[in-house]
Amino acid sequence: DAGITQSPRHKVTETGTPVTLRCHQTENHRYMYWYRQDPGHGLRLIHYSYGVKDTDKGEVSDGYSVSRSKTEDFLLTLESATSSQTSVYFCAIREHSGGSYNEQFFGPGTRLTVL
Amino acid sequence: AQSVTQLGSHVSVSEGALVLLRCNYSSSVPPYLFWYVQYPNQGLQLLLKYTSAATLVKGINGFEAEFKKSETSFHLTKPSAHMSDAAEYFCAVSRYLQGGSEKLVFGKGTKLTVNP
Repeated sequence: DAGITQSPRHKVTETGTPVTLRCHQTENHRYMYWYRQDPGHGLRLIHYSYGVKDTDKGEVSDGYSVSRSKTEDFLLTLESATSSQTSVYFCAIREHSGGSYNEQFFGPGTRLTVL
Repeated sequence: AQSVTQLGSHVSVSEGALVLLRCNYSSSVPPYLFWYVQYPNQGLQLLLKYTSAATLVKGINGFEAEFKKSETSFHLTKPSAHMSDAAEYFCAVSRYLQGGSEKLVFGKGTKLTVNP
């Protein structure tokens, strides 16, 4: 358990509404990520953060924004939700330390349905 | 750019039989490679990782994988399947990003069914 929680765990919303998903970690890891998982696509990176207020886009960032105002929280916002954003969203963290490679650890996921 | 291909979206084995899940990678530099497992309605759990040390990597739950550079493969095996191994398995390769970070590029996944 890498101390990652995601909220909400399930959400149903309507097209056009804004939605914010929260990822919270308790171990002060520097790197945080948001992925989405869709059948037949595996997981794809939406946005990532390499420090407080340091974020960048991943491969499927259109329609999403992120914020990281403190180390422990990484927020993903869908500006105006669309049905194509119905997915399972995973947050991940990664340590930063010298020496051996540090793997990513994943949160439990948020299942989002956009009607 | 780094990528992975998992051969077979569904694999079915009998309990006690050999499990073989195939993964081929594409990378212009020596890769870091991973296998993750996802049980129904759960997040991803790391099974094992290759980080350029030993080519035969042992993971949790009796799984292992062998890095073969000549074949650009990182296949996952387990000698004897158990019912509890039924899950979806993802192969991934690491790709470096800005700021010293990295991302995982995932294959599309292989769903393993274990028959009694």
